[in-house]
Amino acid sequence: GQQVMQIPQYQHVQEGEDFTTYCNSSTTLSNIQWYKQRPGGHPVFLIQLVKSGEVKKQKRLTFQFGEAKKNSSLHITATQTTDVGTYFCAGHTGTASKLTFGTGTRLQVTL
Amino acid sequence: DAGVIQSPRHEVTEMGQEVTLRCKPISGHNSLFWYRQTMMRGLELLIYFNNNVPIDDSGMPEDRFSAKMPNASFSTLKIQPSEPRDSAVYFCASSFRTGVGTDTQYFGPGTRLTVL
Repeated sequence: GQQVMQIPQYQHVQEGEDFTTYCNSSTTLSNIQWYKQRPGGHPVFLIQLVKSGEVKKQKRLTFQFGEAKKNSSLHITATQTTDVGTYFCAGHTGTASKLTFGTGTRLQVTL
Repeated sequence: DAGVIQSPRHEVTEMGQEVTLRCKPISGHNSLFWYRQTMMRGLELLIYFNNNVPIDDSGMPEDRFSAKMPNASFSTLKIQPSEPRDSAVYFCASSFRTGVGTDTQYFGPGTRLTVL
């Protein structure tokens, strides 16, 4: 079945450092979504990318969708303690409602 | 907008007991998803419904698990009998099915289940 892997599983950074998580799918995706889950919370939608090679920015967060629509990345510039949480990528294949979630990257930020 | 509502928020039960988790999706949403999250296995899709009809239940672990959606505003996930390995956080999520595969999912706060 379809698998979506993320690396790294865990990263610990000092506040102000940059952070990147990578997402790789075993199959071509129709789109990629990113979610953030704070400790003790639930996944919350951040953004969706649809086009091959698409890049979107949200303040300090930059999201990219690969040319082959099988990979994606999330880059955070100058991390803050509010960025702490687990970041999940998730993809649709075709027109189905089902999302396949990645394995997640847990980010810890310390002062 | 109340968001997705789940109950109970916490459930502690003993092995062998029946457990029922409840979910009320966002009004107007026509797709509903049940997930299980553990440290070992991450976020797993158990089952999902479109327009109250189960579409994919391939993630349901075994016959002890069952899910229903009797109407557009309510769904249940039942575990009978429960086992310690069922301990996890169970999330319900809902979305509006666009038909073009761009649905955004909205998650409930989850039910933390502990089976002793």
